[in-house]
Amino acid sequence: NAGVTQTPKFQVLKTGQSMTLQCAQDMNHNSMYWYRQDPGMGLRLIYYSASEGTTDKGEVPNGYNVSRLNKREFSLRLESAAPSQTSVYFCASTFTSGSGETQYFGPGTRLLVL
Amino acid sequence: DQQVKQNSPSLSVQEGRISILNCDYTNSMFDYFLWYKKYPAEGPTFLISISSIKDKNEDGRFTVFLNKSAKHLSLHIVPSQPGDSAVYFCAASAMTGANNLFFGTGTRLTVIP
Repeated sequence: NAGVTQTPKFQVLKTGQSMTLQCAQDMNHNSMYWYRQDPGMGLRLIYYSASEGTTDKGEVPNGYNVSRLNKREFSLRLESAAPSQTSVYFCASTFTSGSGETQYFGPGTRLLVL
Repeated sequence: DQQVKQNSPSLSVQEGRISILNCDYTNSMFDYFLWYKKYPAEGPTFLISISSIKDKNEDGRFTVFLNKSAKHLSLHIVPSQPGDSAVYFCAASAMTGANNLFFGTGTRLTVIP
């Protein structure tokens, strides 16, 4: 049981290049999320998927697209990278209990856009 | 507008003493609160949670207190250990509406041996 996995761990892009960040979970969770973490900003939600086949915008969706390929996989795409997208990106999936939802995070992808 | 706030960016505590991390929120619809711990180069890991029907939840050395009237929660770690040194994020969600979490900006805890 690997939990939430992300690839790649680290990537350097030039401005204007595109790339896809991959995320997979093996916990049979319905909901998945993409966050970015910047210094002094905490984690900000980019997009989320409440279930297979659905996606919704979060707090900072501009410049990103997502695909919920199946229940396990949720990818984040940067079509034309900008230096402002330099950040650490975390994928998460959710376990729902009677009390509320607990998100479990992947190890992160560190992205540098030059 | 930050709905979950952690006003102390850092905290240093001696080993064996109590660490108290604070968090305030503004949205009265929040009814589930979590604390995450994050080491460098790793993803956040879930630590402890509390629902709004309780005012305290305890798990070993970690206790979370919720004061709904003040819209304030705190995490107590006692006794603090050097391995507790990490960034701690407070998060909140509402059972109704979109099922996502709102995070604070984090508090870096350093436990001094």
